[in-house]
Amino acid sequence: GENVEQHPSTLSVQEGDSAVIKCTYSDSASNYFPWYKQELGKRPQLIIDIRSNVGEKKDQRIAVTLNKTAKHFSLHITETQPEDSAVYFCAASRGNQFYFGTGTSLTVIP
Amino acid sequence: EAGVTQSPTHLIKTRGQQATLRCSPISGHTSVYWYQQALGLGLQFLLWYDEGEERNRGNFPPRFSGRQFPNYSSELNVNALELEDSALYLCASGSGGGRETQYFGPGTRLLVL
Repeated sequence: GENVEQHPSTLSVQEGDSAVIKCTYSDSASNYFPWYKQELGKRPQLIIDIRSNVGEKKDQRIAVTLNKTAKHFSLHITETQPEDSAVYFCAASRGNQFYFGTGTSLTVIP
Repeated sequence: EAGVTQSPTHLIKTRGQQATLRCSPISGHTSVYWYQQALGLGLQFLLWYDEGEERNRGNFPPRFSGRQFPNYSSELNVNALELEDSALYLCASGSGGGRETQYFGPGTRLLVL
């Protein structure tokens, strides 16, 4: 089955700096890669996703890149703000089977 | 449009008891996924239901089971509860078919004493 690895597990950045979270996957048939943000005590919320026919997608301060050959994808957050502090999960999907990374706890220091 | 709902929000049980958790998907969604999120850990896939059928299950023992009703709502049952079953149980719904997006409910926090 699919194996998704996520790094780093914790990340601290100064407000205004960029944050990058990386995930690798093992199943080359995976074709959908969402990212979720989970604030403390809340449900995971989809923040951005990318499909295998696209190499990069951007939404304001958030971007995701996908390298199918290397089987890795990354989340980039620019101009970080304190409200970006949360746990971020990546996932890889083939059809309806989703496999999640172990999460990255991001802390943005004011 | 109402989001995914789950009940109860909190559940306290003792070892050996059974727990039943409920989930109602977004209107029009036919897929329901169940995940276990133990404290400080990631999302562990439990079960996937679509159109009333169990489509896949994760690496959990058979005492974790569930069903999906004709209205696409779902139940997760955990029998013979163990202390390590204490976790947040999240339900997510999807529209069915391939490459779909999942939307999560608020979760049920289960505590086993």
